[in-house]
Amino acid sequence: DQQVKQNSPSLSVQEGRISILNCDYTNSMFDYFLWYKKYPAEGPTFLISISSIKDKNEDGRFTVFLNKSAKHLSLHIVPSQPGDSAVYFCAASLGGSNYKLTFGKGTLLTVNP
Amino acid sequence: EPEVTQTPSHQVTQMGQEVILRCVPISNHLYFYWYRQILGQKVEFLVSFYNNEISEKSEIFDDQFSVERPDGSNFTLKIRSTKLEDSAMYFCASNRGFGNEQFFGPGTRLTVL
Repeated sequence: DQQVKQNSPSLSVQEGRISILNCDYTNSMFDYFLWYKKYPAEGPTFLISISSIKDKNEDGRFTVFLNKSAKHLSLHIVPSQPGDSAVYFCAASLGGSNYKLTFGKGTLLTVNP
Repeated sequence: EPEVTQTPSHQVTQMGQEVILRCVPISNHLYFYWYRQILGQKVEFLVSFYNNEISEKSEIFDDQFSVERPDGSNFTLKIRSTKLEDSAMYFCASNRGFGNEQFFGPGTRLTVL
């Protein structure tokens, strides 16, 4: 089941630069997308989400872009900080109140000082 | 800030034994979920629960699994007869409803020997 794909297992960036994490999906019925951050031995922590009726959502240093025609979304972190180093998961939902999240495999982001 | 809590943080059991994983969702949340992550794999949906009944379950959630909300605060996952392949991190999550992100607990690491 590869409905949500994160093709880059890892990404390394310098502190202060932009981090761009990518996610593709195959199910056109997904209409709500989320990014989670996960540190080792902790649960996923919600970062930012976007509904399929939007193409951009911004929250501080984090911006998510959605390209429905390409079935692609990306998370931009500007500027990147060493504390951002974690595994980032893209997740998608069919919407509604209690729909399951389908996760990608995650991308390990390392921000070097 | 309210958070989802889970106990125990680590459970070791013998194959064939029953285990109960416990979760306390955020108090005003209405929808509850269990996910699991086998080492090196994706976070996978197991089951969602609303209004005291299962609303959706995955093919993983077979007859060996059950969920219960025994009182107003706890949400439990029972595995009746554990198998080696049940070894994983189990995450509980909750949310208030439509458009709201799911909040995850820190997880219970289940090791089946």
